[in-house]
Amino acid sequence: EIVMTQSPATLSLSPGERATLSCRASQSVSSNLAWYQQKPGQVPRLLIYGASTRATGFPARFSGSGSGTEFTLTISSLQSEDFAVYYCHQYNDWPRTFGQGTKVEIK
Amino acid sequence: EVQLVESGGGLAQPGGSLRLSCAASGFTFGDYTMNWVRQAPGKGLEWLSSISSTSGNIYYGDSVRGRFTISRNNAKNSLYLQMNSLTAEDTAVYYCARTSRYFDYWGQGTPLTVSS
Repeated sequence: EIVMTQSPATLSLSPGERATLSCRASQSVSSNLAWYQQKPGQVPRLLIYGASTRATGFPARFSGSGSGTEFTLTISSLQSEDFAVYYCHQYNDWPRTFGQGTKVEIK
Repeated sequence: EVQLVESGGGLAQPGGSLRLSCAASGFTFGDYTMNWVRQAPGKGLEWLSSISSTSGNIYYGDSVRGRFTISRNNAKNSLYLQMNSLTAEDTAVYYCARTSRYFDYWGQGTPLTVSS
């Protein structure tokens, strides 16, 4: 099983600041990596797929990078609506696995 | 508009069984692999099972293999999850999700509580 490890567990930042979230895979997943955003009480929403392709509806301040085992989600300037939990997910191999999530909270 | 609507959750007894359903609309259901993903209270996401478009390929996570069975009826645009031998650790919100390799659409989820 490919273990996905996200860091940090919690990121406390102010609106306007840059957020950098990391996701590490225990073995290579190529670019078969997605990110999801989940706000409290809401359904997870696809944010990034193919490690770097932004899903429909998300603004350009969200960007993804990386390949192999190291991935990064960057939010260039946090807006109030961006405070949420973010999960990475590998779809390179079975079983599909998620990271444990990074909570981006208001400082 | 893609819609996925889960049903069938509720309260179940430990050791009991329950069947979840997911009704799909807004896309050609028979063209897509479908999945079940769950989220325990206050916890992260856990993939449970996937079924390919024609049911030819089925996968399970270790935590549910041998207890849960995924199935689909393309004529009815429906996905199912038969859950047996339930334990308290199965308490969660259960989501069905469409796959374009990644999970591109999710239902609203149906909550399951396993308790006596």
